[in-house]
Amino acid sequence: DQQVKQNSPSLSVQEGRISILNCDYTNSMFDYFLWYKKYPAEGPTFLISISSIKDKNEDGRFTVFLNKSAKHLSLHIVPSQPGDSAVYFCAAGLGGGTSYGKLTFGQGTILTVHP
Amino acid sequence: GAGVSQSPRYKVTKRGQDVTLRCDPISSHATLYWYQQALGQGPEFLTYFNYEAQPDKSGLPSDRFSAERPEGSISTLTIQRTEQRDSAMYRCASSLTGIVGYTFGSGTRLTVV
Repeated sequence: DQQVKQNSPSLSVQEGRISILNCDYTNSMFDYFLWYKKYPAEGPTFLISISSIKDKNEDGRFTVFLNKSAKHLSLHIVPSQPGDSAVYFCAAGLGGGTSYGKLTFGQGTILTVHP
Repeated sequence: GAGVSQSPRYKVTKRGQDVTLRCDPISSHATLYWYQQALGQGPEFLTYFNYEAQPDKSGLPSDRFSAERPEGSISTLTIQRTEQRDSAMYRCASSLTGIVGYTFGSGTRLTVV
């Protein structure tokens, strides 16, 4: 039972254009969501997060949108740069209790930005 | 230290042997997490510590897996009687507070032959 799904294994985008990465989840109890970025031979690094009480969070070129009714979140990168080429993981978590901090990850999407 | 350090970077072991993986978190971080990542998949939660307490070990696949953090700093993950299906990347992460400050190490690639 995969509670967090990234249905696109890969995405290819031209430099300067928008990259949109998508993520779906099934557990309506999740109350925060994150995106991580991973370069080869490195651990995932935190990129941006959003609480379930919001529908948008922006940080520079990165914006995360949350649609709770559809149980869907997306990451927009505008404009895309070649250095953004990496694997992107979405993750979801439950606040409070013994599960606090425990994240459920999607399978990842490989983003390639072409010059 | 400056980041989360994991050792060894790679480990090849024969089926049936025990292995111990080590994680040295960021020194100020109270919370430490262990994840298992299969090839082409996202990390999957194994267990976590808050200082030396282990509030949640629900993700450990079997009783062959155990983790310790006796002094609330360095942690070890031990897999007894390894099986081929244990082959994966094992990632450690630490956090000062909450989930936004989660920092992952580079992982230990375990191969059981």
